Amino acid sequence: AQSVTQLDSQVPVFEEAPVELRCNYSSSVSVYLFWYVQYPNQGLQLLLKYLSGSTLVESINGFEAEFNKSQTSFHLRKPSVHISDTAEYFCAVSPLGNTGKLIFGQGTTLQVKP
Amino acid sequence: DVKVTQSSRYLVKRTGEKVFLECVQDMDHENMFWYRQDPGLGLRLIYFSYDVKMKEKGDIPEGYSVSREKKERFSLILESASTNQTSMYLCASSLPGLAGQETQYFGPGTRLLVL
Repeated sequence: AQSVTQLDSQVPVFEEAPVELRCNYSSSVSVYLFWYVQYPNQGLQLLLKYLSGSTLVESINGFEAEFNKSQTSFHLRKPSVHISDTAEYFCAVSPLGNTGKLIFGQGTTLQVKP
Repeated sequence: DVKVTQSSRYLVKRTGEKVFLECVQDMDHENMFWYRQDPGLGLRLIYFSYDVKMKEKGDIPEGYSVSREKKERFSLILESASTNQTSMYLCASSLPGLAGQETQYFGPGTRLLVL
């Protein structure tokens, strides 16, 4: 079985400050890793995903996440946040060979203050 | 753009009522999913479907059933609504690719209140 733990339920940060949202997972098999974002009053949308290759993956809006197999982590970072990054962020895993099922973490609310 | 629509954004029902939540996707995706989202619990999978008339239980199927008569439409049914089913319900779809790598596309959600 797989599980995902997001260590912080809320992360308040000032605009232009760096941020890290932490994600750890547990799995007996190899997994693919995802970060989804949910802006207020919207559904979730994919932010980035790690499938293979370079352990550092980037999104188009400046976020990056690094897969660390030894620590079973996939933390999300951004060097300078904007007000528009205020949202809830979900880490998720999908076991290799699984037909598309995702296991989600509890979510982290990022609150960017002016 | 992929579009996943859900029939209602907000719904208020009474205990014991039969409730239908509808989801439609316009991208010919084979896979469709129903989740419920609760604060502090993230998203939990209720049911999913890989094809028309096919369905599989997710992690929390009790109290729910589903129907998929057409490829684009996936319905979630609460046979007899209870207050503990008050939640946000999210529908998603995906195109089968290399197993496990697929991106899921989500609808805006239906916030259900059961009184």
